This record gives sequence, C-alpha cells and structure tokens, in this order.
Amino acid sequence: SAVISQKPSRDICQRGTSLTIQCQVDSQVTMMFWYRQQPGQSLTLIATANQGSEATYESGFVIDKFPISRPNLTFSTLTVSNMSPEDSSIYLCSVEGGVPVHTDTQYFGPGTRLTVL
Amino acid sequence: AQSVTQLGSHVSVSEGALVLLRCNYSSSVPPYLFWYVQYPNQGLQLLLKYTSAATLVKGINGFEAEFKKSETSFHLTKPSAHMSDAAEYFCAVSGAQKLVFGQGTRLTINP
Repeated sequence: SAVISQKPSRDICQRGTSLTIQCQVDSQVTMMFWYRQQPGQSLTLIATANQGSEATYESGFVIDKFPISRPNLTFSTLTVSNMSPEDSSIYLCSVEGGVPVHTDTQYFGPGTRLTVL
Repeated sequence: AQSVTQLGSHVSVSEGALVLLRCNYSSSVPPYLFWYVQYPNQGLQLLLKYTSAATLVKGINGFEAEFKKSETSFHLTKPSAHMSDAAEYFCAVSGAQKLVFGQGTRLTINP
C-alpha cells in the first residue's frame, strides 16, 4: 500500500486565521480525498481532490471555507479558512487507485490534529 | 445510497475473550465493505476488506469478518482479545468511489 504523510501533524491556531494541510504520497494515485473527524465522531468526507481541476465537495462543505489543491498525482493540500473553534478536528487525507495498477481500497494518512482557540 | 450501522458504540471484553463487533450495511448495489482500526492519536489502518470474493475474509492481527448478504451484515471477530486490540473500529461501505463510515465502536480490553 502507499505511504502517506501529512504536515503538520498537529497545530493550535487562533480564531480567524487559516491553516494549510499538506498530503504527500510516495507513489502516483488517481484519487485523493479529504475527511474531517470531529472529536469523538466518525469520519465525514469533505471533498475529492481532482488532479488538474476543481475539487468535488460534499454537501455542507464549500470551496471558500475548504479550498483544495491537487497539482499532481502525489500531492494535495487542504486549507481551513477563517477558522473558528468548531473547526477543531482531525483532518485526514486518503488515497485510492494506484497508477498504473488500480486498487479499490482507500488508505489513510496519519491525520492532522487541529485545535482552534 | 449506501449506509452503515455499527451496533454498540462501546464494547468491553476481557483479555483472551472473543471479540465481536457488529456492522450492518445498506446498499443498492453489491457492496465493497471494509473494516478500519484507529489507534489513539493515529490515522486509520485497513484491517480487512470484502470485494465479492470469499464471504469469509481474513485480515491483519487475527481479525476476520463474514459477509452475510441475507442479513446485510459484516461483523468483525477475533477469537482471543489482546490488550493491544484496544482501539476504535470503523466499518465502511464503498459506493461511487466514496466511503461511507459507521459511527465507530470503541473496543476496551480488560486485563
């Protein structure tokens, strides 16, 4: 399976600021996803990061709040904009579909633990 | 649309006892089903997956799960619990290249 890293691993931020989270994969993948895990909760899909085009957002998530980039097949960023304490969560990157060998399984990064004061 | 229900948000067993974590799914198409484990302060690790091959699926760390179409279930079991199994376990169903997760079950192991 792919090795996935995320930066930063954790951060404490002030209300009103923005944080950009990076996701790096050690091999090319077709699909990259961003999830949010609120404290004590399950995972909720924020968006699918599409290489070379705009991300596809799930209901309840908008580009202005969570802009996403996917410049190539191994890297993506998620920005959490104008943060409030309600944004305090774990943000996880996942990948699916190797290149050239496709897989049908999502593998997850270690997560970024965000606390907003 | 796909959905997953995990029965029991918290399961507690003694070390050496059987572990049974319950998952029921709803899917309009033949599902792909997954179990993931999340250890404290870590990301999700794939335990096992069902993709329409054998109905009994063996995973890592001695876990296995059985797909039962008639019961729309995909329960996770391990014959003998170990202290290191204490974690949060998530069942998930795949559809339209998206994963839908259950609410998770926290497994506690008593010495």
